[in-house]
Amino acid sequence: QVQLVESGGGVVQPGRSLRLSCVASGFTFSSFGMHWVRQAPGKGLEWVAVISYDGGYGTNEYYPDSVKGRFTISRDNSKNMVYLQMNSLRPDDTAMYYCAKAAGYQPLGADAFDVWGQGTMVTVSS
Amino acid sequence: DIVMTQFPDSLPVSLGERATINCKSSQNILYSSNNKNYLAWYQQKPGQPLKLLIYWASTRESGVPDRFTGSGSGTDFSLTINSLQAEDVAIYYCQQYFITPPTFGGGTNVEIK
Repeated sequence: QVQLVESGGGVVQPGRSLRLSCVASGFTFSSFGMHWVRQAPGKGLEWVAVISYDGGYGTNEYYPDSVKGRFTISRDNSKNMVYLQMNSLRPDDTAMYYCAKAAGYQPLGADAFDVWGQGTMVTVSS
Repeated sequence: DIVMTQFPDSLPVSLGERATINCKSSQNILYSSNNKNYLAWYQQKPGQPLKLLIYWASTRESGVPDRFTGSGSGTDFSLTINSLQAEDVAIYYCQQYFITPPTFGGGTNVEIK
């Protein structure tokens, strides 16, 4: 069964850090790009980060301007894990964070998402 | 960034009737080299993972009922749910994957009238 399970969310003060994790199962993890997408309470979906699959030349990572320089995505193919390191957190980072698998319709960067996790909630508040 | 505009925000539909959701992109998302529209549709229900319904604007994901139909090209797209069922109550999002960053529409809440 293809599945993504996120963990690591919680309540954190502004300016602090948090690391989210996502474990994948049911597919060849190393062959696909992986994304993080977030959804603020009562709001729509915002893409947060992507890490490409490692095709032998390393991986590529992309971020929107809203998190660039603060968030870092990484992966460990030996553990089928993808991570999101979030630093200098702000109240507007409060959201449900979803891990999503790239469908593979684009070689890197933007893609559709054919598998989603249930999400992990991050609340940034003093 | 490409801005995706969805309408309406809310769509009350009677059971068995048709629901049509519209999505407009601020730029053309049809790639002329392969004649594909880089647009996907998702369904979000409370407590469940988001579900990919449609990709390439009109290709149904495996297992998606054929009452869900995607159409459109260039900048104007729609998702039609024929003969609405109770289990179709959800929020629906369009998304472009033509260029980075991938961007989503604001969502349409389909409910039973």
